[in-house]
Amino acid sequence: EDQVTQSPEALRLQEGESSSLNCSYTVSGLRGLFWYRQDPGKGPEFLFTLYSAGEEKEKERLKATLTKKESFLHITAPKPEDSATYLCAVQAGGQNFVFGPGTRLSVLP
Amino acid sequence: NAGVTQTPKFQVLKTGQSMTLQCAQDMNHNSMYWYRQDPGMGLRLIYYSASEGTTDKGEVPNGYNVSRLNKREFSLRLESAAPSQTSVYFCASSEQVWGTEAFFGQGTRLTVV
Repeated sequence: EDQVTQSPEALRLQEGESSSLNCSYTVSGLRGLFWYRQDPGKGPEFLFTLYSAGEEKEKERLKATLTKKESFLHITAPKPEDSATYLCAVQAGGQNFVFGPGTRLSVLP
Repeated sequence: NAGVTQTPKFQVLKTGQSMTLQCAQDMNHNSMYWYRQDPGMGLRLIYYSASEGTTDKGEVPNGYNVSRLNKREFSLRLESAAPSQTSVYFCASSEQVWGTEAFFGQGTRLTVV
């Protein structure tokens, strides 16, 4: 069964303190790995798509990387406005999007 | 540029009542989805429509029906609401069903009492 796990469940950082979020997956035939950001009371907002191991994408303070078993979302010098829940999702084989449970990020000023 | 629009935003139903959640997208996407999001459970797929005229079950379809009215609109119907259907419902759309990112609406918070 396809599974997606994320760690840590919650993360508190000081403003400017860089860190990484992890998304691990056990799927066969990966079609894509997707990162989303979700603010309270809002729908998920698309960030990145990664298709193959070794691929990297960047946007402002965020950088997503992909290996054969996991993806990392690196946050460099975060600001309070980066506080949100970060979700990853995979598409593989005949399965549609399978979402992980998310990582709740809090960035303190 | 509205993206994905869901109505209503909030709804309270009594057990046994029926209702339809509406979703429309203006991005000319082929595929549309309905998810529910519950604390500790993450986003779970209820139904999806790969293209106009087709619908398929997702992970948790029981108690729901869907209609792909046209390319823009995809509705979710609860025929006889149950307290277990209390959740936040999200509609999403993507250009194709495989390998392209999905864009989400703002959600409908449904409470069944």
